[in-house]
Amino acid sequence: EIVMTQTPLSAPVTLGQPAAISCRSSQSLVHSDGNTYLSWLQQRPGQPPRLLIYKVSNRFSGVPDRFSGSGAGTDFTLKISRVEAEDVGVYYCTQATQFPWTFGQGTKVEIK
Amino acid sequence: EVQLVETGGGLVQPGGSLRLSCTASGFTVSTNYMTWVRQAPGKGLEWVSLIYSGGPTYYADSVKGRFTISRDNSKNTVYLQMNSLRAEDTAVYYCARDHGIMIFGVIIPQHGMDVWGQGTTVTVSS
Repeated sequence: EIVMTQTPLSAPVTLGQPAAISCRSSQSLVHSDGNTYLSWLQQRPGQPPRLLIYKVSNRFSGVPDRFSGSGAGTDFTLKISRVEAEDVGVYYCTQATQFPWTFGQGTKVEIK
Repeated sequence: EVQLVETGGGLVQPGGSLRLSCTASGFTVSTNYMTWVRQAPGKGLEWVSLIYSGGPTYYADSVKGRFTISRDNSKNTVYLQMNSLRAEDTAVYYCARDHGIMIFGVIIPQHGMDVWGQGTTVTVSS
């Protein structure tokens, strides 16, 4: 099983300031088809998760461009260029390169 | 509107069974990969199971042999049959669609879960 490790687990941020969440996998997420199936989800309080980024850096439809994803191999990052109040929630990275699919522990983003 | 609605959750005794349903609207489950993900109270997300558009199924080790994912195309519904339930199965169960891109009439999975239901709560307790 691929273990996904996120840091930090808590990220207090000031409105308008940037934030970054790191996600590291225990093995390479490069699939045999050449794709890297690493995605990022946002879960606002009391809501189901929402897809933000898929295949490392592809922003899903309707996601604000202040969200961006990067990385390769085993190291990945989600960046929020300027945090807004609606960005409060828990962020998860997840891999779908190998079964079982696995999630990171989640990073709680809150406003200072 | 693209939507998923889960039903079937409830309170069940350890060792009991439940069947969860996930009914889709706005798209066809038969041509998409569909997953179940759960979230124990106050905890993170845990992938449970997936059914390919072509039929193969996959499970987390924690539920293998106890849970079965299936699909009824005529009802546009995905199911999760849960047997031999344990206290540690207590969670909100979400159904989700795997994001796909249509290329020449074929959906190519991108492996990001893009449509989620609101979840159904399963409580296993005596």
